[in-house]
Amino acid sequence: EPEVTQTPSHQVTQMGQEVILRCVPISNHLYFYWYRQILGQKVEFLVSFYNNEISEKSEIFDDQFSVERPDGSNFTLKIRSTKLEDSAMYFCASRQGGAGGYTFGSGTRLTVV
Amino acid sequence: GIQVEQSPPDLILQEGANSTLRCNFSDSVNNLQWFHQNPWGQLINLFYIPSGTKQNGRLSATTVATERYSLLYISSSQTTDSGVYFCAVAGAGGTSYGKLTFGQGTILTVHP
Repeated sequence: EPEVTQTPSHQVTQMGQEVILRCVPISNHLYFYWYRQILGQKVEFLVSFYNNEISEKSEIFDDQFSVERPDGSNFTLKIRSTKLEDSAMYFCASRQGGAGGYTFGSGTRLTVV
Repeated sequence: GIQVEQSPPDLILQEGANSTLRCNFSDSVNNLQWFHQNPWGQLINLFYIPSGTKQNGRLSATTVATERYSLLYISSSQTTDSGVYFCAVAGAGGTSYGKLTFGQGTILTVHP
């Protein structure tokens, strides 16, 4: 079964540093997403991406965050000037479009120290 | 946006028992999925079920879209079923279209 691949699985970074989280969505999927889950809380929507542009973003997704699809396979989330409260599990997801569900990656656990 | 409520928040079972988890949502949906979050934090997709009934082994799910709820049934529970179960929906229009909104989850603990 096709998978969404996320790297790295764990990342520890110093406060104030920039991090890039990477995702390889399923190849024939058209819609891409990033979600975040702070420890012990529910999963929250960050941003959706379609046709090489952001289609929707949440209030959380401010100027500190950016997304990019630099080539035909990768989808990245960049977090600038990381803060302690950015520590969370970040999930990438993709879907084909129309009827059909989301496929989630295994997540990147980000720890800001 | 669309609201998703799950119940119960916590559930403790003995191995072999059956259980029912509920998900209520506040608006029409075109996507509803049940996920199991394992101890490593991974979200495992259990069902894509915007309407109707599906079964997969000991698990089954039913969504009654007109009444805005979904049920997840776990039969003959095993310790490996422990974890958090999330319901997530995407609204059929307006500001909820496309993105999944998650419920708070049900924490299931199965004791041997």
